[in-house]
Amino acid sequence: QVQLVESGGGLVKPGGSLRLSCAASGFTLSDHYMSWIRQAPGKGLEWISYISSSGTNIYYVDSVKGRSTISRDIAKNSLYLQLNSLRAEDTAVYYCARGGTTQLKDFDYWGQGTLVTVSS
Amino acid sequence: EIVMTQSPATLSVSPGERAILSCRASQSVSSNLAWYQQKPGQAPRLLIYDASTRATGIPARFSGSGSGTEFTLTISSLQSEDFAVYYCQQYNYWYTFGQGTKLEIK
Repeated sequence: QVQLVESGGGLVKPGGSLRLSCAASGFTLSDHYMSWIRQAPGKGLEWISYISSSGTNIYYVDSVKGRSTISRDIAKNSLYLQLNSLRAEDTAVYYCARGGTTQLKDFDYWGQGTLVTVSS
Repeated sequence: EIVMTQSPATLSVSPGERAILSCRASQSVSSNLAWYQQKPGQAPRLLIYDASTRATGIPARFSGSGSGTEFTLTISSLQSEDFAVYYCQQYNYWYTFGQGTKLEIK
């Protein structure tokens, strides 16, 4: 069955960096648009980045643009998000989610999330 | 950026009654709209996509309608497990989520 498992979260100081991972199973990650979505404590959902199925299209929202890099390893069937210059407002649960195969679509599968806490 | 606005922020309904949740887009998103349910400590779960199509395994008491800028999620007879936060999301132009509607027991 389809499964997404995130890891890599933790406590980091302001200005620090983290690399989040999302291991996919039950499907081929590179067949789908894959996204990272975050949720600050007690707040709503914020989509922050996607990589297209072809890998040629990548997009970031303004709040993380220039500080984040989304990537994937086809051999490992895994998705990554490198977060740099972290700020307190980046504190959130980060989810990876599966989108459509050829275009933007709904997110039909989500991981359980990994918590990133930015604090001194 | 397309802004999604959900109403009400909180909805109090008794079990067995019907709940109607609304979502408005700042510009047309055609039928490129999804609804998600999120319970505390859990990831969101897809309920409805393409505005009105139920996702796999979603009970028939959940239904979605609308197109363009106005959308509705209806839960016909609330069960105890339906009390949660609900989000709409557009995927017509990038992705944006509404701020959520908390459905609570009356």
